[in-house]
Amino acid sequence: GENVEQHPSTLSVQEGDSAVIKCTYSDSASNYFPWYKQELGKRPQLIIDIRSNVGEKKDQRIAVTLNKTAKHFSLHITETQPEDSAVYFCAARRNTGGFKTIFGAGTRLFVKA
Amino acid sequence: DVKVTQSSRYLVKRTGEKVFLECVQDMDHENMFWYRQDPGLGLRLIYFSYDVKMKEKGDIPEGYSVSREKKERFSLILESASTNQTSMYLCASRSDPNQPQHFGDGTRLSIL
Repeated sequence: GENVEQHPSTLSVQEGDSAVIKCTYSDSASNYFPWYKQELGKRPQLIIDIRSNVGEKKDQRIAVTLNKTAKHFSLHITETQPEDSAVYFCAARRNTGGFKTIFGAGTRLFVKA
Repeated sequence: DVKVTQSSRYLVKRTGEKVFLECVQDMDHENMFWYRQDPGLGLRLIYFSYDVKMKEKGDIPEGYSVSREKKERFSLILESASTNQTSMYLCASRSDPNQPQHFGDGTRLSIL
C-alpha cells in the first residue's frame, strides 16, 4: 500500500547549525507534499509545501526539495533556533482516488542552545 | 484564519462506553478528516468526509464510525471503547484537495 518513510526519527543539532529531514514516498500518483510542525501540546501547523511541478521552494530559513524520479523530498532548516524544536511531519497527497494524504512517522528535532 | 475546534482537549472514558468526539470548522470547508496520533506511528487516517452525509474509510477504521450531518461538523464515534483506542485524536479540514489541511488542537482520549 501507499506509505511515506521519514528519517531520522530524532535529530539533535546545535543552535545555528542546519537540520535536514528526509522523506520517501511510494505512490507515484502523489503530487503535493506538505510539511507540518507540531510543537509540544499544540496542533500540527503547515510550514511549507511543494507541488510536483516544482523542484525546490524556499521560505526564509526553511526550504523543501523534491526529486520526483527518486520519490524523495526533504526539509532543510538553516540557522536553527531553539524555537525550531518540535516534531516535524512530512506528507504526500495523491492526485487520484480520494486524494488521500499519507503522513510520515515524524521527526523530533531538538535544537540545543 | 481557519478555526478547527475539537470539543474536548482531554477525555477519560471506560471500556465498553460509547464515545463521541466532536469537531467543528468555521471556514465552510468541504473535506474533513479524523486521525489518531501515536508515538512512532505519525498520523493515521481513521475516516474522512468529502461533503455532508458522505464518509470514506481511512487506513484504520475498525472500531470507529463517523457522522457528518452538517457541513461544519464531523463527529467520530467509538461504538464500544477499548483500551487500545487510548490515543491523541486530531481533526482536520481543507477547502478542496489542492489545499493543505488545517488541524484542531487534538483530544487526548484515555480509555480505562
